[in-house]
Amino acid sequence: QVQLVESGGGLVKPGGSLRLSCAASGFTFSDYYMSWIRQAPGKGLEWVSYISSSGSTIYYADSVKGRFTISRDNAKNSLYLQMNSLRAEDTAVYYCARVEVGIAAAGIVPYYFDYWGQGTLVTVSS
Amino acid sequence: QSVLTQPPSVSAAPGQKVTISCSGSSSNIGNNYVSWYQQLPGTAPKLLIYDNNKRPSGIPDRFSGSKSGTSATLGITGLQTGDEADYYCGTWDSSLAEVFGGGTKLTVL
Repeated sequence: QVQLVESGGGLVKPGGSLRLSCAASGFTFSDYYMSWIRQAPGKGLEWVSYISSSGSTIYYADSVKGRFTISRDNAKNSLYLQMNSLRAEDTAVYYCARVEVGIAAAGIVPYYFDYWGQGTLVTVSS
Repeated sequence: QSVLTQPPSVSAAPGQKVTISCSGSSSNIGNNYVSWYQQLPGTAPKLLIYDNNKRPSGIPDRFSGSKSGTSATLGITGLQTGDEADYYCGTWDSSLAEVFGGGTKLTVL
């Protein structure tokens, strides 16, 4: 069965860095696009980033562009999120999710997130 | 402020039907598929509806989805107390970003 397990969350000071990991199993990781989605305490879902199966296509939300870097290691079945210059507003539970994509007029686009991990909490506070 | 607009809350009695709306624009819902996610208290979101109106395996047919123009709707019939959760719509936007609604809290009275 598909499993996504995030790790690496914790307490970090403003301006600090953190690297999240997501270990995938139960499917051919290298065949799938992947994404990070976060949820601030008591708030709704916010998409953070997505990466193509080969890693050649990457998109970021404007709120994290230039500070966060998504990457993957298909040999290790792992997804990563390097977070730098962290701010208080980055405090959230971070979920990794598997992405199903399809062909649209604009090219390959994500259609939906079919499996989610349990999330890892990142707290940015002094 | 979310790109997609959902009502903050809806409620209905057990056994009744409820609908949750999701309003967007031509840059998102109008030109892309909509998905819906259910988030039970204290858990991760779960895919409920994809491609506007399809249900993943294991999702009961009490849950349905539809789309018309720049709006989408989630319907739940035969409400159960176990359906109490937050519900989110999502879709791709032409700004090259996935967008979600602000979420709707369903209360089964």
